[in-house]
Amino acid sequence: GEDVEQSLFLSVREGDSSVINCTYTDSSSTYLYWYKQEPGAGLQLLTYIFSNMDMKQDQRLTVLLNKKDKHLSLRIADTQTGDSAIYFCAETVPGGYQKVTFGTGTKLQVIP
Amino acid sequence: EADIYQTPRYLVIGTGKKITLECSQTMGHDKMYWYQQDPGMELHLIHYSYGVNSTEKGDLSSESTVSRIRTEHFPLTLESARPSHTSQYLCASSPGQGHYGYTFGSGTRLTVV
Repeated sequence: GEDVEQSLFLSVREGDSSVINCTYTDSSSTYLYWYKQEPGAGLQLLTYIFSNMDMKQDQRLTVLLNKKDKHLSLRIADTQTGDSAIYFCAETVPGGYQKVTFGTGTKLQVIP
Repeated sequence: EADIYQTPRYLVIGTGKKITLECSQTMGHDKMYWYQQDPGMELHLIHYSYGVNSTEKGDLSSESTVSRIRTEHFPLTLESARPSHTSQYLCASSPGQGHYGYTFGSGTRLTVV
């Protein structure tokens, strides 16, 4: 079955790098995503990676995928106070309506 | 720049009232979803739709109902609100093909007193 786990909380200083981790259990995952949720808002898709890729970089964001360990990470370089939010990883597994399973969310606090 | 709209943003209502949470998208997406988000942040899928006249229950049992008469519209209705329905409700949509992720609305925060 699908289960996506994240640590609940991460605190970093402004200017440092943040690394948010995620583990999943379904080895048939095809696509993995990172979403950002700011206070009082819905989720915003940040980036996604196909399961046949190891890494994807998009400006300050770097996504690393370790399929062997079923581990996904999001690195935010030069973290800013505007990056303070809840970050969700998510996976899609094939079949049916291609269900997306969201992780439990990591609250990132950036200290000025 | 939101292409998916939820109304109202906030709603406080008394126990026993009937309410409808609105969700509309202008992207022509076939698939639409309703999530309930608890204070612990976790998202729970309560309803989804593949397209017009298609509705399915999600992973979390919910006393709410949905309809999909038009592609762009996916309202959620609670016939008799209870305090246990107090939560954040998020609507999302995605294209029928491809895996480009979901577009979420801003959510409706419902409080039942």
